[in-house]
Amino acid sequence: DADVTQTPRNRITKTGKRIMLECSQTKGHDRMYWYRQDPGLGLRLIYYSFDVKDINKGEISDGYSVSRQAQAKFSLSLESAIPNQTALYFCATSDRGTITDTQYFGPGTRLTVL
Amino acid sequence: GQNIDQPTEMTATEGAIVQINCTYQTSGFNGLFWYQQHAGEAPTFLSYNVLDGLEEKGRFSSFLSRSKGYSYLLLKELQMKDSASYLCAGDYYGQNFVFGPGTRLSVLP
Repeated sequence: DADVTQTPRNRITKTGKRIMLECSQTKGHDRMYWYRQDPGLGLRLIYYSFDVKDINKGEISDGYSVSRQAQAKFSLSLESAIPNQTALYFCATSDRGTITDTQYFGPGTRLTVL
Repeated sequence: GQNIDQPTEMTATEGAIVQINCTYQTSGFNGLFWYQQHAGEAPTFLSYNVLDGLEEKGRFSSFLSRSKGYSYLLLKELQMKDSASYLCAGDYYGQNFVFGPGTRLSVLP
């Protein structure tokens, strides 16, 4: 079984709809992240959480919100989706206890906003 | 923000050697990651360099020069399955990782 899972894997929605992307992990890591990936722009950080009570904005948080329901779950919401939020979204985890803080990525959610 | 630069695309031949370069801003720099990402898939960890020099891991090696703000990923004995994007990411003190745009490598027969 995958250590980091994301649901849904693909989603097509319309402008103005509320969307929630979910991430779960079985790695026991404290830190969780949400990124979006656009062609030619690389991975950009949306939000990150270092533990259940610690939520922080990343580089591009406008239009997004998150919820850390438990150590293993981190959800990303688009309150009112717009077409330029069409992208590939990745959740990632890392372990505070390691020196390198390597990130482990989920399989991604491809979101299309019409 | 911290700028991470790498070439957008590269092409190489099966069996050859290819070097993918990455430059980064040195202020606040801690270390540098390389990830591999096949099309439509998640990035996977390749290497992390914090000290100057070359670290070898099988067919893949990664080099870092802290004073020059420069790193490269060296892929030897290229295989078709090495066709992927290679992401360079800077680890900065007090910040989260900053990813470059990625280099899409095409390996031709």
